[in-house]
Amino acid sequence: EIVLTQSPGTLSLSPGETATLSCGASQTVTSTHLAWYQQKPGQAPRLVIYATSSRATGIPDRFSGSGSGTAFTLTISRLEPEDFAVYYCQQYGSSFGQGTRLEIK
Amino acid sequence: QVQLQESGPGLVKPSETLSLTCTVSGVSTNSRSYYWSWIRQPAGKGLEWIGRISTSGSTKYNPSLKSRISMSVDTSKNQFSLNLTSVTAADTAVYYCARSDWLSLDYWGQGTLVTVSS
Repeated sequence: EIVLTQSPGTLSLSPGETATLSCGASQTVTSTHLAWYQQKPGQAPRLVIYATSSRATGIPDRFSGSGSGTAFTLTISRLEPEDFAVYYCQQYGSSFGQGTRLEIK
Repeated sequence: QVQLQESGPGLVKPSETLSLTCTVSGVSTNSRSYYWSWIRQPAGKGLEWIGRISTSGSTKYNPSLKSRISMSVDTSKNQFSLNLTSVTAADTAVYYCARSDWLSLDYWGQGTLVTVSS
């Protein structure tokens, strides 16, 4: 079973800055099978990126995904207050990473 | 508009079976385009993928839970269900149901808290 490891555990940034979140896999992940989810307190997770780099419906273009093989990245440019949340990567039909908390500095 | 809603007991005794149902609206559980998935989240912790089922009954389960899980789909009621046997306090969590297309979990229920306690 592939293990996904996210870094950093917590990222403290200010609105307007750029966030770079990493997701590393213990084995190669098919690029179409890597997704990112955003979760705010008390809410269900929300799909942000699928197939490594495709934005889900309603997700602004400040969000972008990239990567291949065992290294994937979620980049959020020009951070808005509503972007501060926990982000999880997931291999489709399998495990999630442990999450990165994006907090306001 | 696709919506999913979990339902079931909020309290289950240790060693008993946890049973949850997800009622789907806006899309048919009979569609071959989707899988129907369960995910859970203990308080203050991360997401754990439990498993998924297709309309044909094909399943894929988390290996760590496989021996205790069963899932089913009732297309006549547009629902799918999760059974988790021999529960312990470690199974206390918010349980989410979700629709899975071929690439992601694109629609989620709001989640339901299940506590395992005597």
